[in-house]
Amino acid sequence: DAGVIQSPRHEVTEMGQEVTLRCKPISGHDYLFWYRQTMMRGLELLIYFNNNVPIDDSGMPEDRFSAKMPNASFSTLKIQPSEPRDSAVYFCASRPLSQGANEQFFGPGTRLTVL
Amino acid sequence: AQSVTQLGSHVSVSEGALVLLRCNYSSSVPPYLFWYVQYPNQGLQLLLKYTSAATLVKGINGFEAEFKKSETSFHLTKPSAHMSDAAEYFCAVSQGGGGNKLTFGTGTQLKVEL
Repeated sequence: DAGVIQSPRHEVTEMGQEVTLRCKPISGHDYLFWYRQTMMRGLELLIYFNNNVPIDDSGMPEDRFSAKMPNASFSTLKIQPSEPRDSAVYFCASRPLSQGANEQFFGPGTRLTVL
Repeated sequence: AQSVTQLGSHVSVSEGALVLLRCNYSSSVPPYLFWYVQYPNQGLQLLLKYTSAATLVKGINGFEAEFKKSETSFHLTKPSAHMSDAAEYFCAVSQGGGGNKLTFGTGTQLKVEL
């Protein structure tokens, strides 16, 4: 299996621009998670999906952030408009339903820099 | 509610020395516990996990961890450090029985010196 795939790996944009991060989970996995990692706050869960349905978005910092999962093999995290404080590494992770221990498989991350 | 505390944001050891990374957890139900490793510019990779079976868990790359309920701890150890072990290590907890959220600690950066 190819593992969780994220694109782009690096994104540099200017404040006010729209940013879209993409994730392809491992085939057959039922859950998809979006995390943000910063020096100040560590790893934060933003939102997660089960069978393409958002289950918990309590970690989404504000309305500028939105996430979708139109099908089982694709998810996006969008920031509009972006701000410098959104600079972070964004990780996508997935896990199968049958994995009772909740082991999550992480992608390589997208490093976002907002100037 | 669940939480994880990792003592020591930076740990430095000599090559060949014992590695000990500390993790204490808080959970209102029997937890599942994990150690992940993150190499520079990479995602997180699972080292090992505790799922209420054996309290001593062996993982990849020679690492192991012991679940101690009385101490609410899940410390990570390796008898002999190697230069390639230099990375950031994260302890995480989830509710047992298939809880969906992983709560991560703040991470410990391990440095291995010659």
